[in-house]
Amino acid sequence: GDSVTQMEGPVTLSEEAFLTINCTYTATGYPSLFWYVQYPGEGLQLLLKATKADDKGSNKGFEATYRKETTSFHLEKGSVQVSDSAVYFCALSDRGGNQFYFGTGTSLTVIP
Amino acid sequence: GAGVSQSPRYKVAKRGQDVALRCDPISGHVSLFWYQQALGQGPEFLTYFQNEAQLDKSGLPSDRFFAERPEGSVSTLKIQRTQQEDSAVYLCASSSGTTTNEKLFFGSGTQLSVL
Repeated sequence: GDSVTQMEGPVTLSEEAFLTINCTYTATGYPSLFWYVQYPGEGLQLLLKATKADDKGSNKGFEATYRKETTSFHLEKGSVQVSDSAVYFCALSDRGGNQFYFGTGTSLTVIP
Repeated sequence: GAGVSQSPRYKVAKRGQDVALRCDPISGHVSLFWYQQALGQGPEFLTYFQNEAQLDKSGLPSDRFFAERPEGSVSTLKIQRTQQEDSAVYLCASSSGTTTNEKLFFGSGTQLSVL
């Protein structure tokens, strides 16, 4: 079945460091891919998405490119801030159905 | 309302008790999802509504779990005869459309602890 595997955390970075959180997926069709973020005490929020191969999603300095050849959707940011501290979830949606599949989440802490 | 609202925020139940968790989606949102999130895990799909119709309940773990959305807006997730393994955060999400490309709006969840 469809699934998402993402890099385990926790990840701790200094402010202005480069961030990569790896995400790979398994899907039978052509899914859409998402990154959701959960700030402390809040609900999950959509960070960015890509709906087809080679699309790049971007938001708030974060980017991820839908790579069909490597079945990946890695999240990157060139310079993280303390306010980026949160849990990040990679997810895919099954076009043929109505389910979203989430990874286990990666906790990021950015220290000043 | 401004966002998806869930109540109660925390629920403690004794094993064997019945619980009811409420979700108020964003007004006008057609699709409504329930997810279960165990500690340290990602959300796991439970069930999906399109308006008042429950189109997918394949993720409900047992027949003790029941969800409804009778008027196509507010939804209730009911768990009968709660067990310790039911302890988790229950998330509700809604979206304006009916395709899986749509952005999901999540509530803050109900944290259920079964003692």
